[in-house]
Amino acid sequence: AQKVTQVQTEISVVEKEDVTLDCVYETRDTTYYLFWYKQPPSGELVFLIRRNSFDEQNEISGRYSWNFQKSTSSFNFTITASQVVDSAVYFCALSEAGEYGNKLVFGAGTILRVKS
Amino acid sequence: NAGVTQTPKFRILKIGQSMTLQCAQDMNHNYMYWYRQDPGMGLKLIYYSVGAGITDKGEVPNGYNVSRSTTEDFPLRLELAAPSQTSVYFCASRLTGGLSNQPQHFGDGTRLSIL
Repeated sequence: AQKVTQVQTEISVVEKEDVTLDCVYETRDTTYYLFWYKQPPSGELVFLIRRNSFDEQNEISGRYSWNFQKSTSSFNFTITASQVVDSAVYFCALSEAGEYGNKLVFGAGTILRVKS
Repeated sequence: NAGVTQTPKFRILKIGQSMTLQCAQDMNHNYMYWYRQDPGMGLKLIYYSVGAGITDKGEVPNGYNVSRSTTEDFPLRLELAAPSQTSVYFCASRLTGGLSNQPQHFGDGTRLSIL
């Protein structure tokens, strides 16, 4: 069975600090996909990134970077020089390639509070 | 391009009442999903559909029903509202494909309170 665990329930940082949100997953499938979504205080869910199980290359997008390590079943998300606008709930999610309906399993979320 | 549209945005129901949460997408996505998000929790799948006329239960289907008569619409019905169904409901859709790497696109959510 697939499972996603977000290690931190809540993180508080001061603006300009770097912060890492940890995501650990479980799956028996060899082909799977990992996602990060952001939920700002306004409530909508915003897609940030997807990564497939065959691509362990790290990705950087502006102040955001993602570190995928199959050996430790982790897909961690780092925000560099955090800003108040980064305050949100961040969700990690997993989808197995063989799963009918391509359903997503979400972690419980990490609340990030960035203080000025 | 509207994406995924959910109505209403907010609703208060009395115990035992019924209502339908509407979801429509204009992206020609075959796959659609309904989730609920309880306070401080992640999203849990209620029902999903891989195409018109096809629906399946997710993790927490009890107390809900769905239908999918068209590709665009995927309404969620609560027949006898209970306080435990107080939650934020999200509808999502995704592009069909042989691989599951396409992201799901979410609506803005419906905040439902049962009193």
